[in-house]
Amino acid sequence: SDELTQPPSVSVSPGQTASITCSGDKLGDKSACWYQQRPGQSPILVIYQNRKRPSGIPERFFGFNSGNTATLTISGTQAMDEADYYCQAWDSSTVIFGGGTKLTVL
Amino acid sequence: QVQLVQSGTEVKKAGASLKVSCKASGYTFTNYYVHWVRRAPGQGLEWMGKINPSGGGTSYPQHFRGRVTMTRDTSTSTVYMELSSLRSEDTAIYYCARDGYCDTVSCYESVFDYWGQGTLVTVSS
Repeated sequence: SDELTQPPSVSVSPGQTASITCSGDKLGDKSACWYQQRPGQSPILVIYQNRKRPSGIPERFFGFNSGNTATLTISGTQAMDEADYYCQAWDSSTVIFGGGTKLTVL
Repeated sequence: QVQLVQSGTEVKKAGASLKVSCKASGYTFTNYYVHWVRRAPGQGLEWMGKINPSGGGTSYPQHFRGRVTMTRDTSTSTVYMELSSLRSEDTAIYYCARDGYCDTVSCYESVFDYWGQGTLVTVSS
């Protein structure tokens, strides 16, 4: 089915590593992206092509995609990383977003 | 610099239609598809479809077909999203997004590198 499943929430302590998963049928055969959306702002691209970072995105953002799961990892998490994160893929000209994960840094 | 500037807040009655605009600047308008994405309160991002500003071709997901229409005006570099038969569940922030992030190696389909500022739409019964 054309669904991407994310955990609703993830919590992490400042300076620690946060991992957000995105599961979908044969997702590893597709190209996955990740977007960050802070409250009141438009989404911004943080990972494309499974693991590439756009210019301006800190090196602490890392992506991986294999099998049925794509993972966004944020190392040395900072307070400014607190946001909603969405995975996204496309297939047969259809764009699919995951349900989103609220990352809390506490 | 690339910018997508959307029209302002809308308040609509159930059953009415909505038309939101997205004016592009800072790049060649006809070279990049534009998509529409919305986020309802307490919900995640939802893809509404895309338009090719060059030829005007569109693609919509099944559950929006018949209710959404995307058009463009190349003379003003503006794309429009029209949604009909509004219901309360259509209350959301609507975004346009440019498709096709390019790095030094290639350009990538369905990767959204620039987004509009969002248009808040409230549908009341």
